[in-house]
Amino acid sequence: DGGITQSPKYLFRKEGQNVTLSCEQNLNHDAMYWYRQDPGQGLRLIYYSQIVNDFQKGDIAEGYSVSREKKESFPLTVTSAQKNPTAFYLCASSLTPGRSSGNTIYFGEGSWLTVV
Amino acid sequence: QKEVEQDPGPLSVPEGAIVSLNCTYSNSAFQYFMWYRQYSRKGPELLMYTYSSGNKEDGRFTAQVDKSSKYISLFIRDSQPSDSATYLCAMSASLGGTSYGKLTFGQGTILTVHP
Repeated sequence: DGGITQSPKYLFRKEGQNVTLSCEQNLNHDAMYWYRQDPGQGLRLIYYSQIVNDFQKGDIAEGYSVSREKKESFPLTVTSAQKNPTAFYLCASSLTPGRSSGNTIYFGEGSWLTVV
Repeated sequence: QKEVEQDPGPLSVPEGAIVSLNCTYSNSAFQYFMWYRQYSRKGPELLMYTYSSGNKEDGRFTAQVDKSSKYISLFIRDSQPSDSATYLCAMSASLGGTSYGKLTFGQGTILTVHP
């Protein structure tokens, strides 16, 4: 089945550690995104990538890093510089925008990160 | 002031009721509007997409956009317990350039439909 796969579903991180969240899509979408969701704050954009080997900072990129070496993959690293990393992280992808679809994006199932 | 405001609820209705979910926004450049449904601990799924003003219907769901009032709505008819979820509105100004992929989301409204 086509879709967006995120792993792991649940992850615990000790303070000072870097962790990497995986995101793979087989929808042949060009664009991929990472969002962070906190209670009562909706979704906030961390990074996005329109094409392979290119990515742009979103609204809350500090303390995060990404790579886009393959069209299908867009991993997110939460570094020790991110002071409040406990959140629900959502990966998403989209087709090339057009009026018929706008820039509607499709989400994975999410990854829960907890700092212990 | 946030660009998109959405009443977080929670909203509780009996089965069969008509539900109205709303968002207001301040950016007059927004022209693409979406509604997502998110079940607990799951990723959001796209429900409705609307370009510019007007209505769009899909089964029990109707999306309305009033750009003159900067107001969008999602109506759910004959609501079911399976509709219990968080509903997120999202919108964007353009398809390309620096706005590419930058959807602005509301905070989400928690809906419970009880039997």
